[in-house]
Amino acid sequence: QVQLLGSGPGLVKPSETLSLTCTVSDASISSYYWSWIRQTPGKGLEWIGYIFYNGNTNYNPSLKSRVTISLDTSKNQFSLKLSSVTAADTAVYYCARVIVAGNVDYWGQGTQVTVSS
Amino acid sequence: SYVLTQPPSVSVAPGQTARIPCGGDNIVSKSVHWYQRKPGQAPVLVIYYDTDRPSGIPERFSGSNSGNTATLTISRVEAGDEADYFCQVWDSESDVGVFGGGTKLTVL
Repeated sequence: QVQLLGSGPGLVKPSETLSLTCTVSDASISSYYWSWIRQTPGKGLEWIGYIFYNGNTNYNPSLKSRVTISLDTSKNQFSLKLSSVTAADTAVYYCARVIVAGNVDYWGQGTQVTVSS
Repeated sequence: SYVLTQPPSVSVAPGQTARIPCGGDNIVSKSVHWYQRKPGQAPVLVIYYDTDRPSGIPERFSGSNSGNTATLTISRVEAGDEADYFCQVWDSESDVGVFGGGTKLTVL
């Protein structure tokens, strides 16, 4: 059974960079698309972006200027960095595996991140 | 970007049929996927490619897609079906996924 485990700080200060990592078990990260999705109280589920196993990325236009998603195949991990955070970035962040149909077949457990001083 | 519209809530008595709509411009031209999310848990895929069920999802869950509305139908609703349900498509313009706002299913 594929498992995704997200990790990272639960509290980030305004204007700083949010950093999360997702560790993938029982599946090679060297295939599929790997995504970050967040759930905010105000905007519901929002797709942040994805990275393909070859390193190609694409980001939600609303976040593109602040987002970086990267891959570490040696550790079977992928990561999210979101810069210049504000309270509006407070959310539950999910890592996820996306298949060719464009849907998620496996989700991480979700990581609550709060932006506050 | 592409917009998906869902009603905030749907209520149904146990044993009855729940229908959760998801509206979008010419949504029939897209593949629609549905997720169930219970409090404190990650979402679970219940329907993909409009009508297909992943293994382990009961046959009571079905989907349809026509015109400007896709629908998730849950037959013989049980108390355990109470959850939030989200529809999702891939937006070819922005090349990311898009979710509906979610519908809270309440079993009376």
